Formats: sequence, structure tokens, C-alpha cells
Amino acid sequence: DQQVKQNSPSLSVQEGRISILNCDYTNSMFDYFLWYKKYPAEGPTFLISISSIKDKNEDGRFTVFLNKSAKHLSLHIVPSQPGDSAVYFCAASEGSNFGNEKLTFGTGTRLTIIP
Amino acid sequence: DTGVSQDPRHKITKRGQNVTFRCDPISEHNRLYWYRQTLGQGPEFLTYFQNEAQLEKSRLLSDRFSAERPKGSFSTLEIQRTEQGDSAMYLCASSFTQSSYEQYFGPGTRLTVT
Repeated sequence: DQQVKQNSPSLSVQEGRISILNCDYTNSMFDYFLWYKKYPAEGPTFLISISSIKDKNEDGRFTVFLNKSAKHLSLHIVPSQPGDSAVYFCAASEGSNFGNEKLTFGTGTRLTIIP
Repeated sequence: DTGVSQDPRHKITKRGQNVTFRCDPISEHNRLYWYRQTLGQGPEFLTYFQNEAQLEKSRLLSDRFSAERPKGSFSTLEIQRTEQGDSAMYLCASSFTQSSYEQYFGPGTRLTVT
């Protein structure tokens, strides 16, 4: 069963506008969420994360929002730039007292920024 | 900091052959993870180590797969008697237990079984 879902396989956004990527999860034990960006022929690159005790985390042009009651998170990129064109993966971790645990990934959303 | 490195980047093998991949994590990272990614999917967890101890293995990791991290530094992933279904990108990641949950990925090894 897919515990982390990204229902939009692709998204196209005009340069300068806001990109919103969505992610839903089903496992209530997830308490830490991450977004990764992946270019072709490269490994995923960490972008931004959020703990379940927060509802928002911001880093420059990137903001992640978490709605625990809806089991939903989103990544906002504003303004969108051509270099943001990539596949974006949502990931989640159950966490533990020992630190980071395995990540469960969604299937990804391919973002294309149109100049 | 040179990041996570993996070798080889590409491997083509015939069905039934054994293959071995290597991962060198970021030097101060004590945790090392292996994931597998197939076309159209996100990375799927295979196994992870804390130092030299293998702490968890996924059900995806059949008995043809074995991973080691003998001195708590680099790791190897071996697949015996490869099958066409093993064709995938094999990703390695590392992290530091006392830091946050972020894992840092290498470029991956793309395996093609013919």
C-alpha cells in the first residue's frame, strides 16, 4: 500500500508564478516530513523538511505546510525559476529516539517551469 | 565534504550473474541507507546500518541480496543470481544520528539485467 501519495504526476507553471506541490499520507505514525528534488541522472537532493509539531517551515523561496488533521502537506515555491524544473519527492519518517529512520517516499511530481 | 559517492554509476549484467555495488558515505555520518528506485516510482527502502550494525532489512530484500558495512565506513550491496526484475537505480544515503532526519543521497548505480 502506498503510504505517501503524490497524486499529480506532473505540473507546469509559468516562470515567476507560484508552484504548489501536494502530498498526502496515510500512516499516523509519520512525524517528520521532507521534500527532495531530483534531476535526471542524479540522486535526490534534500530541499526542506518539517516536524509534525509545526505547521509551516520556510527557507528562502521554499515553504512547506503541514496539515496533520488532513494528513496533507504541500510545498510552495515562489517565485518559480527555470532551474526549479525537476522531479519533486515527498518523503516521511516515523522517527524514533535514536534519530533518523528510513524514509517512505511518494511517487514524485515532475515540475516544469515555463520561461 | 565530498558528499556520498557510489561506484559504479552504471552496470549492465546478464541474468544469473552476481553484481556488487559500493557506497562511500559522508565521512562523519554514522548511518548508511540503501534504497532502490524503479521507473515512475519513488525510492524504496532496502536496508540501513548504524556504524557496522545492520539494523533493519526490508521485505524487498530477498535472500539474493546482501549488504555489509564491515568497518562502519563504506558499504557494499551484492545481488546474487540477478534477475531482470532487479533492473533499477540503487541509491545510497547517509546521515548523522544526532542531527535532524535529513538523509543525503549519492548519485546512484543504475543496474540493467539483460
